[in-house]
Amino acid sequence: AQSVTQLDSQVPVFEEAPVELRCNYSSSVSVYLFWYVQYPNQGLQLLLKYLSGSTLVKGINGFEAEFNKSQTSFHLRKPSVHISDTAEYFCAVGVGGSTLGRLYFGRGTQLTVWP
Amino acid sequence: ETGVTQSPTHLIKTRGQQVTLRCSSQSGHNTVSWYQQALGQGPQFIFQYYREEENGRGNFPPRFSGLQFPNYSSELNVNALELDDSALYLCASSLAAGELFFGEGSRLTVL
Repeated sequence: AQSVTQLDSQVPVFEEAPVELRCNYSSSVSVYLFWYVQYPNQGLQLLLKYLSGSTLVKGINGFEAEFNKSQTSFHLRKPSVHISDTAEYFCAVGVGGSTLGRLYFGRGTQLTVWP
Repeated sequence: ETGVTQSPTHLIKTRGQQVTLRCSSQSGHNTVSWYQQALGQGPQFIFQYYREEENGRGNFPPRFSGLQFPNYSSELNVNALELDDSALYLCASSLAAGELFFGEGSRLTVL
């Protein structure tokens, strides 16, 4: 079975500071990894994805994530955050060969950026 | 190119009633997935439709059912509503195993 653990439910940070949102997954097979962002009263927007290849993945809005297979982690980072980055962030895993489009989501991390 | 659209955006029902939620997939996409997002939780997979056939189901009872139409739009039906069905229901479309594009969701409140 697959599962995703987001280690922090809330992350407060000041504007222009760096941030890391942590994500660990468990799976016995190869996986695809995603980070989505959700602004209040909106759906999910894809930030970045890891399918294969380079373990450092760059996404939109200056975010990046690194896939670490040995530690089964996919942490999201941004070197300098803005007020507009305040949102809920979800890590998700998809399994190779499984139902197409079936993702397992973590419980989310609320990022709050203070001025 | 239009994105994924869902309707209605908000609705209120009472226990025991039935509800139908609708989703128009992004142009060219043939796969629709439905997710339930309870308050404070991550989305949970309900089921997926690929070319009008159910193609996988999560841990939801049979009173959750769906359809996909020839134009790849989709419906989610929930019968005998329970209080715990209150949630944001998200539809996502994709082209086979490609990236999921989510709509803004339908927020269901069951009283």
